[in-house]
Amino acid sequence: DIQMTQSPSTLSASVGARVTITCRASQSISSWLAWYQQKPGKAPKLLIYKASSLDSGVPSRFSGSGSGTEFTLTISSLQPDDFATYYCQQYDSYPLTFGGGTKVEIK
Amino acid sequence: EVQLVESGGGLVQPGGSLRLSCAASGFTFSNNAMNWVRQAPGKGLEWVSVFSGSGGSTYYADSVKGRFTIFRDISKNTLYMQMNSLRAEDTAVYFCAKGSSSWSPLWYWGQGTLVTVSS
Repeated sequence: DIQMTQSPSTLSASVGARVTITCRASQSISSWLAWYQQKPGKAPKLLIYKASSLDSGVPSRFSGSGSGTEFTLTISSLQPDDFATYYCQQYDSYPLTFGGGTKVEIK
Repeated sequence: EVQLVESGGGLVQPGGSLRLSCAASGFTFSNNAMNWVRQAPGKGLEWVSVFSGSGGSTYYADSVKGRFTIFRDISKNTLYMQMNSLRAEDTAVYFCAKGSSSWSPLWYWGQGTLVTVSS
């Protein structure tokens, strides 16, 4: 199985800050990586697919990069609506696997 | 508009069974991969199973293999998960999520249904 490791697990930042979350795969997954945002009590929402493609309606302050085993999610200017937990997920092979999550908190 | 509505969750004793349903609308159900993903209280996301689109292949996480069965009824546009031999560690919110092809991101998610396994 492909293991996905996210860091940091928690991140404290202020509104307007630039935020970067890292995701590492235990083996190459090419660009078959997605990022999701989840708010408490809600279902996850797809933000980015194929490592760097923004899903429809997702603000342009979100961006993704990377390929192979190293990936990043960047929020260029953190907004109040962005405080949430973020997960990476590989879809290169089954079983699909998620990173452990990064909780973005208000500083 | 894509809609996924889960139902069937509840309280069940260890060793018991439960069947979850996910009613889908707004897309061609038979052509899309459909997944179950769960989230234990306060924990992260864990993929559970997929029923692929046109091919009808199924895959399971090792943690549920042999105990859970995923199936669908195309006439009802509904995805199911039959869960047998339930354990305390199966306690979670179960989400259904729509892919496209067998290997795709999870484009849409339902609101989830809570399964609690406890005596």
